[in-house]
Parts: sequence; structure tokens; C-alpha cells
Amino acid sequence: DIQMTQSPSFLSASVGDRVTINCKASQNINKYLDWYQQKLGEAPKLLIYNTNSLHTGIPSRFSGSGSGTDFTLTISSLQPEDVATYFCLQHNSGFTFGSGTKLEIK
Amino acid sequence: EVQLVESGGGLVQPGRSMKLSCAASGFTFSNYGMAWVRQAPTKGLEWVATISYDGSSTYYRDSVKGRFTISRDNAKSTLYLQMNSLRSEDTATYYCTRGGSCFAYWGQGTLVTVSS
Repeated sequence: DIQMTQSPSFLSASVGDRVTINCKASQNINKYLDWYQQKLGEAPKLLIYNTNSLHTGIPSRFSGSGSGTDFTLTISSLQPEDVATYFCLQHNSGFTFGSGTKLEIK
Repeated sequence: EVQLVESGGGLVQPGRSMKLSCAASGFTFSNYGMAWVRQAPTKGLEWVATISYDGSSTYYRDSVKGRFTISRDNAKSTLYLQMNSLRSEDTATYYCTRGGSCFAYWGQGTLVTVSS
């Protein structure tokens, strides 16, 4: 089974900061890596699919990059409404979520 | 607007069964693979099962194989999850999601609590 190591587990940043969250796969997953946002008490929401494709309606300050085993979610300018937990998901072989990154405003 | 509405959760004793439903609207249900994803209280996300657009193929995580069955009724635009021999570790919010690969849309979830 493919394991996903997500870091950091907790992140505190200021409004306007550039924020990066990482996921590392235990083996090559090609481009099949998505990013999800889950706000408190809500269902997850797809942000980025297949490494770098922005889902419908998602602000352009969110972007994804990477390939093979190392992937990054970037928020170019952090907004108050971005407070949430972020998860990565690999779907190259089965489905494995990362453990999550809780993002707070400093 | 895509809508997914789960129902059927609640409190159930260990070893008993429960069936979840997910009513879909706002898209052509029969064109899409569907999946169930769960989240134990204060924990992360865990994929449970996936079904192809026509129901001909199903996939399960190892811990639910032989106990859970995913199915669909395309005429009713409804997804199901039959859960048998429930265990305490199955306690979670169960989300219905659209997509055979990435999970583009999610329902609000239904809580299943397995406890005596």
C-alpha cells in the first residue's frame, strides 16, 4: 500500500503570507495527487486535482505542484477564510489520504 | 447544482448491520463513479469503497472487505453502503462523494456510532 506523509501537521501564519504544505508518497504516484480543504464542522472540498488542476470555483491563490513522490500545495496570499485542515489524497493506486495540516491565522 | 444527501446513520450495536443511502441530484448520476469516505471523530479521512458508473466494478479497503457492500440504483440516482458485522472502529462520519478517482463533490455526511 502507498503511504502519504504530510507536513507540517500544524501551521500558523499571518494574513497575506505565502503558505506551503507538503505531501510525500512512499512510491511514485505520477500526477495523481489531489488537495482537499475541510473547514470546522463541514465536509471536505476539492481544491486541486491531478497535482496542479484547479477545481471549479476555487480561488487562484491556491496552486499545486510536484511529481513522482513529492507534492506541494501553495496558498500565495493567506486569507482569513483559509483557516481549515488540508488533506492530500493519492489515487494512483487505491486511495490514501495524508494525515492533514491544520492551518491557523497568527 | 450538485447535491449529495446522506441518510441512514445512527447508533448501532457491535455485530449488527446498517444501510446508508446517498441521494444525488444536479448531475447525471449514471455517468459517474461514486465512493464512500469516512472520518472517525477528530481523525483524518479514510477511503472506504468505490463503485463504477454502471455498478459493474466495486473496490473496498481491506478492513471492510467481506463486511461492507457498495451498490447503486441509477434509476433512483441513489448510492448505498450496506454495512454488516459492524465494529467499534467503524464509528465515523460517512461521506458520499462523486468521482471514481478524485472526489469532486461531497455530501454533508452521516454519523455512524457503533457502541453497546
